[in-house]
Formats: sequence, structure tokens, C-alpha cells
Amino acid sequence: DGGITQSPKYLFRKEGQNVTLSCEQNLNHDAMYWYRQDPGQGLRLIYYSQIVNDFQKGDIAEGYSVSREKKESFPLTVTSAQKNPTAFYLCASSLLGAGELDTQYFGPGTRLTVL
Amino acid sequence: AQSVAQPEDQVNVAEGNPLTVKCTYSVSGNPYLFWYVQYPNRGLQFLLKYITGDNLVKGSYGFEAEFNKSQTSFHLKKPSALVSDSALYFCAVRDSHGSGNTGKLIFGQGTTLQVKP
Repeated sequence: DGGITQSPKYLFRKEGQNVTLSCEQNLNHDAMYWYRQDPGQGLRLIYYSQIVNDFQKGDIAEGYSVSREKKESFPLTVTSAQKNPTAFYLCASSLLGAGELDTQYFGPGTRLTVL
Repeated sequence: AQSVAQPEDQVNVAEGNPLTVKCTYSVSGNPYLFWYVQYPNRGLQFLLKYITGDNLVKGSYGFEAEFNKSQTSFHLKKPSALVSDSALYFCAVRDSHGSGNTGKLIFGQGTTLQVKP
């Protein structure tokens, strides 16, 4: 899991609440990513950011929001608009550039359960 | 559209036997291909990648993968499986759609490898 930390490890949310998942990296990576993992579906990209104060929607951005105020931090907010938020959330980071450099490295994940 | 397929949900192999986890891809342009492994309730660990050059790529923990352009495949292999290799394996391709390098990865659905003693 290297220099990427995610907190908390487990998170429980009541319906209608917003919750924020933390992701921090000390690898000096340019890009950061948020994925959602559901059983049997692989990983799906929620949001990604290549530079501070800029981010783009991934394939399943509805009901989620992010910010990138610092290079090392990329928090994800799961809003009440997300209809089925129970999942395992993974943060990743990478350098940007030629293919040799841009391997994504993942954090340990946060398991979110809606009660 | 870019896509990755892992045709087997689960692969069973006896300890000491060779293992293969299959992956096929569909991309426009040159593919950048990756294999990751995930242990229960953990993040993904990078195993190896193919960018260019030798079609046989060697990675961590004794794993290797063979890039086959004509068959659009990138199968993961290990000559002798260990019980500790039991995990969920993901193949991924870097999304090269559009201009620029976004670094986005497209993942297969994963293959569970079960190695029995």
C-alpha cells in the first residue's frame, strides 16, 4: 500500500447523510484517483485529478464530489444523492508522463456501509 | 471503446503446478497493460506492466505475463503456484481514448485464484 493512506478503514453512514473519505499520499505524485469496487464488477472510476485545483469526472461521478486543494490530498465526499453507496472505495495515485512513470499505486481502501 | 476481459471468474490450481490467469483487451493504438493483485479487504498491489519491448514481462513474487498482440492477450503466469498466491487478480489497460494522457485505467472484472495444498 506504500505511501498512500486512507481513513477511516470502516465507515457507517445513515441514509441521508454526507460522509467524507480521506486519501493522502506522500509520494509526490501528480495524479490521484478514486475508484469504487463492488463484488464481481471490478473497479470503476469515480473522479480523478491531475493537478491541484482541477479534477474530472470518471464513469460513475453522480452522487460524489471531490476537492484537490493540496497535491497530497484528494478527499471524496459521498453525498445523500448517491443511491447505493455501500461499497469498497479505493484511492490511487501516480506520476504523469511517459508510460514508464505512470503506474497507479493504491491505498488500503475504505469500506462504506449504509445502515 | 477500450475494454478488458477476464473470461474466468475463478481459477483453481494445485500448489506447485503452473498457473495462468487470462486477460484479453481491446484498445485503439498501443496498449499499456497492467496486472494487480488484491488480498481480502486490502488495496490493490501492482504486479507488473507491459509498455513496450520484450513480450514477456517479469514482475513481483515470481509472476510474469506474456503480451500477444495478434491475440490481444496479456495472460498472467507463474511456473509454480503457492497457497499464498490465492487472491483476486485484476488486469487493466490504460485508457488512451482522446488526446493527452489522463492516466485512467480500465479494469477487468477480476479473477479469483484459489491455490490448494
